[in-house]
Amino acid sequence: AQKVTQTQTSISVMEKTTVTMDCVYETQDSSYFLFWYKQTASGEIVFLIRQDSYKKENATVGHYSLNFQKPKSSIGLIITATQIEDSAVYFCAMREAGYQNFYFGKGTSLTVIP
Amino acid sequence: GGIITQTPKFLIGQEGQKLTLKCQQNFNHDTMYWYRQDSGKGLRLIYYSITENDLQKGDLSEGYDASREKKSSFSLTVTSAQKNEMAVFLCASSIWWGAQDTQYFGPGTRLLVL
Repeated sequence: AQKVTQTQTSISVMEKTTVTMDCVYETQDSSYFLFWYKQTASGEIVFLIRQDSYKKENATVGHYSLNFQKPKSSIGLIITATQIEDSAVYFCAMREAGYQNFYFGKGTSLTVIP
Repeated sequence: GGIITQTPKFLIGQEGQKLTLKCQQNFNHDTMYWYRQDSGKGLRLIYYSITENDLQKGDLSEGYDASREKKSSFSLTVTSAQKNEMAVFLCASSIWWGAQDTQYFGPGTRLLVL
C-alpha cells in the first residue's frame, strides 16, 4: 500500500501567484516526520521544508510553508509569490520515528508561467 | 557543508551484465541510501545502511547487492542488468538514523541497458 500519496500529477500557475500541492500519508506511528523536496530539470534534488508530527505550528521557510492537518493525515506545501525557477517536480516524503526508511510520493510537476 | 559524489554519471550496460555504481559523501553522515527513480515516477528505496558494514533492504532490493565498507562510501551492484532497463539511481545520506534530519542527495547515475 502506498504510504505517501500525491494525487496531483501536474499543476500550472501564473508567476507571482500562490500554489498549494497536496500530500496525504499513512502511518500507525504517533511520531513521524514529513518532508518536501524539489527536483529541478537537471535532476538535482534539494530539501525544502520539514514538519515534525508533534509540532502544532505549521513550518515556514522563505516562501515555502506547510499546511499540516494531522487528523486528515495531510501535509500540503504552499508556495507563495511563485517564480519561474520554482518550476520543478515536488516530492512529499515521510519517515516514521525509529525507522530509517523514507517513503516518497510520486511527485507533482509544477510549471510557473510568466 | 558537504557533497555527495556519484560515479559514473552515465552507465551503459549489456543485458545480463553485473554493473556497479559508487557513492561518496563527505558530510560524515551515518546513514546512506540508494534509490531508484524511473521516468516520471517517485523514488523507491533499494538499500540503506546506518553505519559501516551495515546493510538494510528496501522495497526494491531484489536484483541488487550493496556494500558499505567505509562510512563515507556506499556501492550498489546491479547483479544482472535487464534489457531495455532505463533508470536513474540516486544516492543520499543523512546525519543519524534516529535524528530528526533530512536527506541530502547526489546528482544520480543514469543507467541504460542495451
